[in-house]
Amino acid sequence: GAGVSQSPSNKVTEKGKDVELRCDPISGHTALYWYRQRLGQGLEFLIYFQGNSAPDKSGLPSDRFSAERTGESVSTLTIQRTQQEDSAVYLCASSLGFTSGIQYFGAGTRLSVL
Amino acid sequence: DAKTTQPPSMDCAEGRAANLPCNHSTISGNEYVYWYRQIHSQGPQYIIHGLKNNETNEMASLIITEDRKSSTLILPHATLRDTAVYYCIVRAGGVSNFGNEKLTFGTGTRLTIIP
Repeated sequence: GAGVSQSPSNKVTEKGKDVELRCDPISGHTALYWYRQRLGQGLEFLIYFQGNSAPDKSGLPSDRFSAERTGESVSTLTIQRTQQEDSAVYLCASSLGFTSGIQYFGAGTRLSVL
Repeated sequence: DAKTTQPPSMDCAEGRAANLPCNHSTISGNEYVYWYRQIHSQGPQYIIHGLKNNETNEMASLIITEDRKSSTLILPHATLRDTAVYYCIVRAGGVSNFGNEKLTFGTGTRLTIIP
C-alpha cells in the first residue's frame, strides 16, 4: 500500500510569511509524528498525535509552530512568520499505535526561508 | 539526550559484512534497541529492533550483549545501496509513559560502502 506522503516536497518562502506542510499517514495508523532535520544534523522531535489529540507537543520550538490532525488522518504543520532558522527538512512519520517503535517516514518537505 | 553512542563514520568493502556498534550503557529494563537508517535525501527507514535476544530479519541481524549495554547491527553482505547514516535508538516498549512515544535520534554512524 501507499506509504507516508508529504507535500509539498520543496517549499521556498520569504522571511515573515506563513507556511503549511501536509502529511498523509499510512491508512489505519493512529500515531503520527513530526520531526525536523537541519542540514547535516540528526532528527529533532516536534510533536506527536495519537488519533486527533496531541499528548506531546514538547518539541515545538516556539509558539510560531502549531500542528493539527483531523479525522485521524491528515496532519498539517503550520509555521507562522517564518525565520531563516526554520529552514530544514520537516519529516512526518506514522505508526500503528503509540506503543510501537516502528515508525514509517515520509520523504519530507524541504523548507527554505530566504 | 540520545542515550546511545555510535562512531561517527565507518567504511566497509562491498560484499563484506558491515558491523555497526552502539553503546547504550544506561538502557533500562523496559527499553528496546531500534536501528534505523537514512539514505541521502530520504526519510529514515526502520531496520530491526530487539529487547535482549538476538534478532534477524531480511535486512540485518542485531546482536545485543548479555548485559544489554551494547549492541551490533550486522549487514551480512553490504552493497553500495547500504551507504547511509545508521541510527541506534533506545525506546521504552509496552504501555506508554508520557514522552516515551517519540524516537530520539542521535548523530548516527555514516556508513560508506566501498566498491
